[in-house]
Amino acid sequence: DIQMTQSPSSVSASVGDRVTITCRARQDISNWLAWYQQKPGKAPRLLIYAASSLQSGVPSRFSGSGSGTDFTLTISSLQPEDFATYYCQQAKSLPYSFGQGTKLDIK
Amino acid sequence: EVQLVESGGGLVQPGGSLRLSCTASGFTFSNYAMSWVRQAPGKGLQWVSTISGSGGGTYYADSVKGRFTISRDNSKNTLYLQMNSLRAEDTAVYSCAKDPGGYSRAVFAYWGQGTLVTVSS
Repeated sequence: DIQMTQSPSSVSASVGDRVTITCRARQDISNWLAWYQQKPGKAPRLLIYAASSLQSGVPSRFSGSGSGTDFTLTISSLQPEDFATYYCQQAKSLPYSFGQGTKLDIK
Repeated sequence: EVQLVESGGGLVQPGGSLRLSCTASGFTFSNYAMSWVRQAPGKGLQWVSTISGSGGGTYYADSVKGRFTISRDNSKNTLYLQMNSLRAEDTAVYSCAKDPGGYSRAVFAYWGQGTLVTVSS
């Protein structure tokens, strides 16, 4: 099984800040990585797939990078609606696994 | 517009059974793999199971293998999850999910609102 580890587990930031969340896979997953945003009581929202491809309708302030075992999600200029929990997920092999989540809250 | 609506959750005793349903609309159901993902209260996301578009391929997390069965009825645009021998650790919101199309069945672009399953005596 491929374990996914996110860091940090939580981060506080202000509107307008640039924020980076890191995800590490225990083994090489090439670019088979997705990022999701989840707000309380809501379904997750796909932001990024194939490590760096922006899902349709997602603002361009979100970007993803990385390959192999190390990946990042960057929000270039935080907006009020971006405060949420973010998850990475490997799509390389079964069982598909998620990171433990990174909670982004307002400083 | 893609819509996924789950039903069938509720309170069940340990060892009991429950069948979840997910009714889909807005796309050609039989052309897409479908999945179940769960989230225990206050916890992260966990992939549970995936079924191919034809229903001929099924895949499970080790934690549910042998207890849960995923199936689909393409004539009814409905996905199912039969859950047997339920345990307290199966308590979660269960959501059905669909891939974005054209990339990978293992990425979930569309989600239902989820249905809560509580396993408790």
